[in-house]
Amino acid sequence: EPEVTQTPSHQVTQMGQEVILRCVPISNHLYFYWYRQILGQKVEFLVSFYNNEISEKSEIFDDQFSVERPDGSNFTLKIRSTKLEDSAMYFCASRADRGEEKLFFGSGTQLSVL
Amino acid sequence: AQSVTQPDIHITVSEGASLELRCNYSYGATPYLFWYVQSPGQGLQLLLKYFSGDTLVQGIKGFEAEFKRSQSSFNLRKPSVHWSDAAEYFCAVGPPLSTDKLIFGTGTRLQVFP
Repeated sequence: EPEVTQTPSHQVTQMGQEVILRCVPISNHLYFYWYRQILGQKVEFLVSFYNNEISEKSEIFDDQFSVERPDGSNFTLKIRSTKLEDSAMYFCASRADRGEEKLFFGSGTQLSVL
Repeated sequence: AQSVTQPDIHITVSEGASLELRCNYSYGATPYLFWYVQSPGQGLQLLLKYFSGDTLVQGIKGFEAEFKRSQSSFNLRKPSVHWSDAAEYFCAVGPPLSTDKLIFGTGTRLQVFP
């Protein structure tokens, strides 16, 4: 089965630093997502992205967050100035098209902010 | 408010025993309903989904789930658990006609004893 790839699997950063989480969605997919899961809490929707723009974002996705599809294959999540509470597992997901209900998730990047 | 409740944080069963994982939801209309599984080091994998029609849906790996509108429930079942089923299981809901912005439960960790 095709896979969504996320790198790195674990990233450690200092509070206040910028971090970029990388994802390679499945190649023919058109819809892209970021979710996160703080330890012991629910998986939460962050943002959806289609046609090179954000289609929906949650309250969590404030000005410190941004997403980009820089080269047609990668899909990145940038956190401009990390906070301790940004520590979480971040999942990237993709979906083929509007009529396809199945989301494919990556294995996640564990972000630790110290 | 829209929410998903998985009342069991941790379940332990013996291999070969039957399994039922509970999921209740609160949503304005009948949402799309999903069960995902996360094995250690892996991404979220879709087990099954319900959109409409037959309220008993079959999924991969021998799992099934039953939608009960009157109880706002979507419980996951398996008649005979295998050791490889040990994982974290997430129930999720999404808006009708879309799988954007899924709302997840907190997950149920399944442990299987030989």
